[in-house]
Amino acid sequence: QVQLQESGPGLVKPSETLSLTCAVSGYSITNSYSWGWIRQPPGKGLEWIGSIYHTGGTSFNPSLKSRVAISIDMSKNQFSLTLTSVTAADTAVFYCARQLRWTTVFKDVCYFDYWGQGLLVTVSS
Amino acid sequence: SYELTQPPSVSVSPGQTAKITCSGDALSKQNAYWYQQRPGQAPILVIYQDNKRPSGIPERFSGSSSGTTVTLTISGVQAEDEADYYCQSGDITVTLFGGGTKLTVL
Repeated sequence: QVQLQESGPGLVKPSETLSLTCAVSGYSITNSYSWGWIRQPPGKGLEWIGSIYHTGGTSFNPSLKSRVAISIDMSKNQFSLTLTSVTAADTAVFYCARQLRWTTVFKDVCYFDYWGQGLLVTVSS
Repeated sequence: SYELTQPPSVSVSPGQTAKITCSGDALSKQNAYWYQQRPGQAPILVIYQDNKRPSGIPERFSGSSSGTTVTLTISGVQAEDEADYYCQSGDITVTLFGGGTKLTVL
């Protein structure tokens, strides 16, 4: 059974960098698939932040691209998110998830099948 | 525009049929996916590739597509189906979520 678990600080100061890690168990992240980050501000909807292929290639939400980085640590079977220059608007529950993502002749496949439980990160001084 | 639009809320009585729509230009080119999110929990995939149901999802959940609109249908709604539902689409470079629909079971 594939399981994902987010970890990191629950409180970050404005203008600082948010760093989160997602530990994956039950599957080797280097085998296949993409691995993504999604956030959800309190009382609001889901927002895709970005994803990384098992090979290391990345794609990001255009609205966050200038502040986001995602990386893979093969030795620990985990992947990480950094979000720079945070403000109160970045306060959210952050989810990591496994993403099935590939192109076909007809329509691309692109969805999340396994999710972590989520981690609330508050940006406040 | 690359946006997905959902109604904020839908209400149905137990046993009735709930239909939740999702509209956007992207849906004429790409597949749609649906997630159920109960309060305080992570989203769960209930429909993938427009109309396929993952293992373990009840048969009362179904999906359909027509042009730039996709629809999640829940037949014989049960109290446990009360949740937020999100549509999602995208390609290999961009992933997009709808704003979500709160399903209330009266």
